[in-house]
Amino acid sequence: AQSVSQHNHHVILSEAASLELGCNYSYGGTVNLFWYVQYPGQHLQLLLKYFSGDPLVKGIKGFEAEFIKSKFSFNLRKPSVQWSDTAEYFCAVYNTDKLIFGTGTRLQVFP
Amino acid sequence: EPEVTQTPSHQVTQMGQEVILRCVPISNHLYFYWYRQILGQKVEFLVSFYNNEISEKSEIFDDQFSVERPDGSNFTLKIRSTKLEDSAMYFCASSEFGGLNQPQHFGDGTRLSIL
Repeated sequence: AQSVSQHNHHVILSEAASLELGCNYSYGGTVNLFWYVQYPGQHLQLLLKYFSGDPLVKGIKGFEAEFIKSKFSFNLRKPSVQWSDTAEYFCAVYNTDKLIFGTGTRLQVFP
Repeated sequence: EPEVTQTPSHQVTQMGQEVILRCVPISNHLYFYWYRQILGQKVEFLVSFYNNEISEKSEIFDDQFSVERPDGSNFTLKIRSTKLEDSAMYFCASSEFGGLNQPQHFGDGTRLSIL
């Protein structure tokens, strides 16, 4: 069965610091990967997705993620975080109409 | 932008009682989903629903769970006899069509607390 691992449970950064959140998936075949964000008190929102093609995917709000098949990874990056990026971030893999999520990473950004 | 809405935002229920969580998906969406997140754990798929029937369900979705689309707008999750371990955040989602090219839009969730 497919699974997703997020090893960073809680990340604390100052504004303008660079961000990289790890995501590893288990399945060796074709995968479709997503990053969702949940701001405090709000619903899950899609940040970006990878289906095929260019392994460097750009999403909303300056986020990007790189699909590295050899490492089974899909890490989320942002060169310079803002206080408004404080949220919980979920990596997910698509499996026949359902999403399989990781445990999430809580990001706190301090001004 | 249209949203998925869920009510109530927080439900407190005695163990053994029935609970119904309500969701109003985006109006032109055809596929509906329930997920849950136990505190400190990952978001887990429960069930998907299309054309008035369950498309897929997880191991979690046992006989105590049921879903229904009672009218053209609501999509409900019922837990017949709640257990302590049902305490979690329950998320409803919908998508216009099925398949991986269709993003799933999530509601804000209902926090279910079983006493």
